[in-house]
Amino acid sequence: DADVTQTPRNRITKTGKRIMLECSQTKGHDRMYWYRQDPGLGLRLIYYSFDVKDINKGEISDGYSVSRQAQAKFSLSLESAIPNQTALYFCATSDFRLAGGQEQFFGPGTRLTVL
Amino acid sequence: GDSVTQMEGPVTLSEEAFLTINCTYTATGYPSLFWYVQYPGEGLQLLLKATKADDKGSNKGFEATYRKETTSFHLEKGSVQVSDSAVYFCALIKTSYDKVIFGPGTSLSVIP
Repeated sequence: DADVTQTPRNRITKTGKRIMLECSQTKGHDRMYWYRQDPGLGLRLIYYSFDVKDINKGEISDGYSVSRQAQAKFSLSLESAIPNQTALYFCATSDFRLAGGQEQFFGPGTRLTVL
Repeated sequence: GDSVTQMEGPVTLSEEAFLTINCTYTATGYPSLFWYVQYPGEGLQLLLKATKADDKGSNKGFEATYRKETTSFHLEKGSVQVSDSAVYFCALIKTSYDKVIFGPGTSLSVIP
C-alpha cells in the first residue's frame, strides 16, 4: 500500500539536543509538508516543499530546518531542542496531478517530548 | 488573513444521536473546503470536500454543504456511532499554490 511513514514514532530528548524527524512516502507525490499539532491550536505549518529543489517556510519555522533529500524523503531537524517544541509532528504529502494538490495525505505522527 | 473557525469541543453524544459541528471561514475568493478526521493515535485523513458554492460533500454518512452566503461548511451526521469518536478539522485552500488553513479541531466522543 502506498503510504506516508514517519520515524521515530515517539522521541524523548533533552533541551539543547539536535534531533531529526524523518518522513518517507511511497505515493509518488511531488509535495511534502511538516506540521505540528498542539492541543487547541490545530495544525500549524512549519515547512513545505513543492518539489525537490523547492523549500518554503511556513508560519512557525523558527527553530526548525528541513531537507528534501529526494522526492520521497523530507526530514525535519530541531537544531537545539527546547521544551516548547514538545508537540505531535505530522508529515503530509500532496500531488499537483490529484485535484491540483489540494488534498493532503498524512503520516501517523511523531510524538516529541523535550525535557 | 484567511482563517477557519470551528465550534469548541469536546462534544459528547450518545450513540445514534444527530451530529452537527459548525465551521465558518474567512477568505477572499472561492476557496475549496474540507473536513478531515483524526482517529486516536493516527494522522488526519480526508473525510469529505466541496470545491464550489452549493456543493455537498459526503462520505461515511457525513455531509457538509458549501454555503458561500454564510461562509459556512457545517458537518452533519444523522446517527453517530462509537467508531465516529475522533477529532474533526475543518480546512480551506484557495489555490493549488496556497497552504491549507486548518481550524483548531473539534473533539467528538460518542458513548454507547
